[in-house]
Amino acid sequence: DVKVTQSSRYLVKRTGEKVFLECVQDMDHENMFWYRQDPGLGLRLIYFSYDVKMKEKGDIPEGYSVSREKKERFSLILESASTNQTSMYLCASSRPDRGHEQYFGPGTRLTVT
Amino acid sequence: QKEVEQDPGPLSVPEGAIVSLNCTYSNSAFQYFMWYRQYSRKGPELLMYTYSSGNKEDGRFTAQVDKSSKYISLFIRDSQPSDSATYLCAMSPGSNYKLTFGKGTLLTVNP
Repeated sequence: DVKVTQSSRYLVKRTGEKVFLECVQDMDHENMFWYRQDPGLGLRLIYFSYDVKMKEKGDIPEGYSVSREKKERFSLILESASTNQTSMYLCASSRPDRGHEQYFGPGTRLTVT
Repeated sequence: QKEVEQDPGPLSVPEGAIVSLNCTYSNSAFQYFMWYRQYSRKGPELLMYTYSSGNKEDGRFTAQVDKSSKYISLFIRDSQPSDSATYLCAMSPGSNYKLTFGKGTLLTVNP
């Protein structure tokens, strides 16, 4: 059974803290994605990666960075968390020849106070 | 004009009803059209996809694409309470491009 796992389901951090969100997939997928999901705004792409050590900005990369040192792991970093980064964060992965079929993790609900 | 527009609902129907969910889009380069289903407190999962125009059927679900009108639909026949979820449309120009999602429609099927 294919699986995308995220390090935490719920996370509470203080303004200004550095936050790491981890995502691991066991499907040997080349592509990995980070989204945030907010009521009324839907799913918005933050960053994505088509291969190890590669990264591309999505639609809303400001305030975020990513790291992909291994194929199976894609990390999202909030260098200095702010309250407007309170959101649901979803990680996804896909094969390059089936990019329309993304597999999502369960999400991390991040609250920044 | 946003690239993908989707009525957020909410939509509430009785069990057994036929449900119609729709999205419109503006980018004529889109070739892949997907419907993802997201249950509460879960990540989205791919329900169906269509390449280019036409219909696709899978059990109680039918996906339609009308590229001339830039309009896609998902029909659910004999809806069940287990169909209660948020349905997101998504589109892309090719098989290895990023997806553009609609905002999702929240559907509740009442027993």
